[in-house]
Amino acid sequence: SQELEQSPQSLIVQEGKNLTINCTSSKTLYGLYWYKQKYGEGLIFLMMLQKGGEEKSHEKITAKLDEKKQQSSLHITASQPSHAGIYLCGADSSGAGSYQLTFGKGTKLSVIP
Amino acid sequence: NAGVTQTPKFQVLKTGQSMTLQCAQDMNHNSMYWYRQDPGMGLRLIYYSASEGTTDKGEVPNGYNVSRLNKREFSLRLESAAPSQTSVYFCASNKLGGAGSPLHFGNGTRLTVT
Repeated sequence: SQELEQSPQSLIVQEGKNLTINCTSSKTLYGLYWYKQKYGEGLIFLMMLQKGGEEKSHEKITAKLDEKKQQSSLHITASQPSHAGIYLCGADSSGAGSYQLTFGKGTKLSVIP
Repeated sequence: NAGVTQTPKFQVLKTGQSMTLQCAQDMNHNSMYWYRQDPGMGLRLIYYSASEGTTDKGEVPNGYNVSRLNKREFSLRLESAAPSQTSVYFCASNKLGGAGSPLHFGNGTRLTVT
């Protein structure tokens, strides 16, 4: 079965610093979704990537899906305390869409003011 | 816009008790899902409903039953709760189950089985 490896597992950065979170799959990805979760809350959808080489940005967050479609990165520029939380990637490696999404275990981000 | 609403938010059960977790969405989505989230295990799919009138097993269906009551509502039932079912349960929905349709999640139900 598909497994998604997220790295790092946790990250502590000073406010204003840039950071990158990676999501790696052993299988080709037909779709890759990034979510953010705050403690005690649900998952908030950030971005969706489907094509190799695709890159999307929202405010200070940029996500990329590599050309071989087996890895995605999430980059935060000039981090703020509001960026703190758990970032999860979810992937479709079967082509069956969201019926068989697999999720990574998450990267916990702390931003120190 | 409420999105996906789950009730209750917290629940404590004794082993062997039963309960139903409720989920409703107001986004006119066709597909609905139940996940559980456990430390070190990530999110795992329990059951899903691709459309009204259909339900299918996910990765970890044992010990659970579901009902797609109508297009808006999808419930998860634990007939005889076990400590291994202590978890955070999330309901999600999306417009179409295929590629290109992100899931929208509720805020979760935190269940403890003693």
